[in-house]
Amino acid sequence: EAGVVQSPRYKIIEKKQPVAFWCNPISGHNTLYWYLQNLGQGPELLIRYENEEAVDDSQLPKDRFSAERLKGVDSTLKIQPAELGDSAVYLCASSLYSGYEQYFGPGTRLTVT
Amino acid sequence: KNEVEQSPQNLTAQEGEFITINCSYSVGISALHWLQQHPGGGIVSLFMLSSGKKKHGRLIATINIQEKHSSLHITASHPRDSAVYICAVNGNQFYFGTGTSLTVIP
Repeated sequence: EAGVVQSPRYKIIEKKQPVAFWCNPISGHNTLYWYLQNLGQGPELLIRYENEEAVDDSQLPKDRFSAERLKGVDSTLKIQPAELGDSAVYLCASSLYSGYEQYFGPGTRLTVT
Repeated sequence: KNEVEQSPQNLTAQEGEFITINCSYSVGISALHWLQQHPGGGIVSLFMLSSGKKKHGRLIATINIQEKHSSLHITASHPRDSAVYICAVNGNQFYFGTGTSLTVIP
């Protein structure tokens, strides 16, 4: 069974440019999470989906970040415009249902110059 | 204020040593997770537990719900155990510790 797939693995962009990350969760997993992880820190939740509904987006900076999970499967996280401080690893995870064990993707390492 | 605190932040051990990483939390939880993250790598779930003790190979995780404390033990440590170990809890949301960076020297 394939794990959580994320692309791209690495992205370098100039500030003020837009960027998008894609996540394909484990088949059948109802819940999808996007996290941000800074160097030396634990992951911080950005948004949690149950099916296609965003049930927790309180930590998502909505002025520049947006996310969608059409049809309750794949998800896209977008930043527009990117700022220097957005440089981090963006992790996607999925679980069968909310509160169940989470499975993490490899992450996308974003560098904003 | 961090809902999840881990100690130590950094740990260096000789190969073969017994290692303990501690996690304390301040919120009510339904489960606690221990995660492993290798440098440049993704995160792998090691354990999910809500009571007692679990063992996988050389790894043992324990939790004391009353004391809001969990420990991760590694017996006969090996250089390939070098990684960051992260404690996370299911409260009304997921809370993550900042991780313990373990280096095992041959």
